[in-house]
Amino acid sequence: DGGITQSPKYLFRKEGQNVTLSCEQNLNHDAMYWYRQDPGQGLRLIYYSQIVNDFQKGDIAEGYSVSREKKESFPLTVTSAQKNPTAFYLCASSRPGSETQYFGPGTRLLVL
Amino acid sequence: GESVGLHLPTLSVQEGDNSIINCAYSNSASDYFIWYKQESGKGPQFIIDIRSNMDKRQGQRVTVLLNKTVKHLSLQIAATQPGDSAVYFCAAFSRNTGKLIFGQGTTLQVKP
Repeated sequence: DGGITQSPKYLFRKEGQNVTLSCEQNLNHDAMYWYRQDPGQGLRLIYYSQIVNDFQKGDIAEGYSVSREKKESFPLTVTSAQKNPTAFYLCASSRPGSETQYFGPGTRLLVL
Repeated sequence: GESVGLHLPTLSVQEGDNSIINCAYSNSASDYFIWYKQESGKGPQFIIDIRSNMDKRQGQRVTVLLNKTVKHLSLQIAATQPGDSAVYFCAAFSRNTGKLIFGQGTTLQVKP
C-alpha cells in the first residue's frame, strides 16, 4: 500500500526541548517537502529536498532542521530556537519532473 | 511577494446544489495549478490540476476553470454532497521560483 506516513499524529514539546517529526514515503519519489499550517493561513514551506543528501531552506526555516540520508525518509527537527512551534506539520513528496505534491496525514505539535 | 488567495473564507451550500470556489493568483509566470481538499485533522488530498495551456479541465463531479487574463481559477463541484464538506486550497506553481504557493483555503459547508 503506497503512500506517505507521518508520525506521531500528536506530539507534545516541553520548553527548551528538541523534537523530531517523522516522514516516510514508499512512492519512490525523489523530492520531499515540509510545510507548516497555521489557522487562517496557507501552507508555508519550511525545508525541501530534491535528492538524497541535499536539502534547501524554504520560507520559514529558522528554528528547524532536516536531514535526507535515505530517499524514503525526510525527518524534521523542531529545535528550541523555534519560539512558536504550535502548528500542524505536513510532509509532501513529488515524482521526478513533476510539480504535483502529495501529502501525508500530518503531525500536530503542541507545546506543554 | 507572490501570493495566492481565495475570495471567500467560507461557502455554505445546500446538498445537491453546485458549488463554486474561486481563487486568484498574483504571479503571471504561474503555469500549473492544483486544487486540494483537506478534511479536518487530515493532510490535503489532490483533487484536480490544470496547466496554463488549458482553460478548462473536468474530473469526476469537479471542473477547474482557468482565466489567465485576470489570473483567476475556480473549482466547480457538481451536486454537492455532505462528504464534500472540507477546506479547499488552490496552489500555483511558478517556473521562476520553482515553488508551489498555497492559498489560505475556503471552508465548504454542505447543508442537508
